[in-house]
Amino acid sequence: DTEVTQTPKHLVMGMTNKKSLKCEQHMGHRAMYWYKQKAKKPPELMFVYSYEKLSINESVPSRFSPECPNSSLLNLHLHALQPEDSALYLCASSHPGLAHNNEQFFGPGTRLTVL
Amino acid sequence: AQKITQTQPGMFVQEKEAVTLDCTYDTSDPSYGLFWYKQPSSGEMIFLIYQGSYDQQNATEGRYSLNFQKARKSANLVISASQLGDSAMYFCAMREGRIQGAQKLVFGQGTRLTINP
Repeated sequence: DTEVTQTPKHLVMGMTNKKSLKCEQHMGHRAMYWYKQKAKKPPELMFVYSYEKLSINESVPSRFSPECPNSSLLNLHLHALQPEDSALYLCASSHPGLAHNNEQFFGPGTRLTVL
Repeated sequence: AQKITQTQPGMFVQEKEAVTLDCTYDTSDPSYGLFWYKQPSSGEMIFLIYQGSYDQQNATEGRYSLNFQKARKSANLVISASQLGDSAMYFCAMREGRIQGAQKLVFGQGTRLTINP
């Protein structure tokens, strides 16, 4: 299984809603990532988990709350979002070994619209 | 300061022609890695090819090859015999560092490649 899955594919939410994005991989990767991508822009790193511990938080607002319940799952909890948070949210995973070419495998993304 | 520069916002190429997508980078770390990803309109980022800073030879993966010029800090992607399915956004990315084994990637602005029949 060389796939990263993300659910839901599309999400529309109001500014007062609470929702969660889910990411799953079964490749044995122990590093998992959340990216935010606005239209016609490159992905921007939000969070990195390594061995189920948060290792990088790129100064993301607290209305985004990541969680890594086990080595295969990564969640992103959303609360009180703003319309400018509308974007494609990409999950990725990689092997945390020391090999230089440990590429990140990306999921198909969740297209989020905040009304 | 921008660390990855892709100077071609858009490129149009005839099917079956070869195409070169430019990427220059800036780093003071002697150990770094460069990646190319393809992003079709569906949104998924697809890994294409990797070049390490200590690799002696240019990387190749099928129709993809990387023209790595270390002194010039450039890592251009070459696609041979382009196909209609190659139409997509292409991102160059550099591994900026590692924290507990995880990578931090910095992406360029991307190049939108359109293959014409």
